[in-house]
Amino acid sequence: EDKVVQSPLSLVVHEGDTVTLNCSYEVTNFRSLLWYKQEKKAPTFLFMLTSSGIEKKSGRLSSILDKKELFSILNITATQTGDSAVYLCAVEVLSGDKLIFGTGTRLQVFP
Amino acid sequence: DTAVSQTPKYLVTQMGNDKSIKCEQNLGHDTMYWYKQDSKKFLKIMFSYNNKELIINETVPNRFSPKSPDKAHLNLHINSLELGDSAVYFCASSQPGPYTEAFFGQGTRLTVV
Repeated sequence: EDKVVQSPLSLVVHEGDTVTLNCSYEVTNFRSLLWYKQEKKAPTFLFMLTSSGIEKKSGRLSSILDKKELFSILNITATQTGDSAVYLCAVEVLSGDKLIFGTGTRLQVFP
Repeated sequence: DTAVSQTPKYLVTQMGNDKSIKCEQNLGHDTMYWYKQDSKKFLKIMFSYNNKELIINETVPNRFSPKSPDKAHLNLHINSLELGDSAVYFCASSQPGPYTEAFFGQGTRLTVV
């Protein structure tokens, strides 16, 4: 069965810290890996990764994919309280154009 | 100019009732989805429609019936609601094909009492 696992489940840090969120997957017919940020409501898209070793960057957030070891990391540097959210990793699979989500990492950033 | 909109945002109902959640997208996408998010924040796909045709039906009880009157709308009807149906239901849309992200609605929090 296709599976996406995120760690840690929960993370509490102070503003200014750097965090690394992990996502590992076991799926057949991998197509891409996506990161979403979910605050109170809808998940909002952050990154899509399709190729190994190529870092995607947006401001203080960056992400990279390793298709050999089947994982991705999401880094957030100089965290701010506004980064507090659940970060969801999802894998797009070829069969049926669907996303398989991990359980998410809840990040809390305190001043 | 909301991209994916769901109504209602909150729904509280008694066991055994039938209810519907509506979803509309104005992004011109061909593919729409329903996801269920449980209390532990785990998002799981329920249905996928491409241009009004059912593509994915992920072992969801047949009390759940999606209806797509046109490609901009995908409604979810639930019969004989059970306590375990309580969750947040998200509608999403995307372009078909590979490497396209899904855009999510704001969710409908369903509470069955």
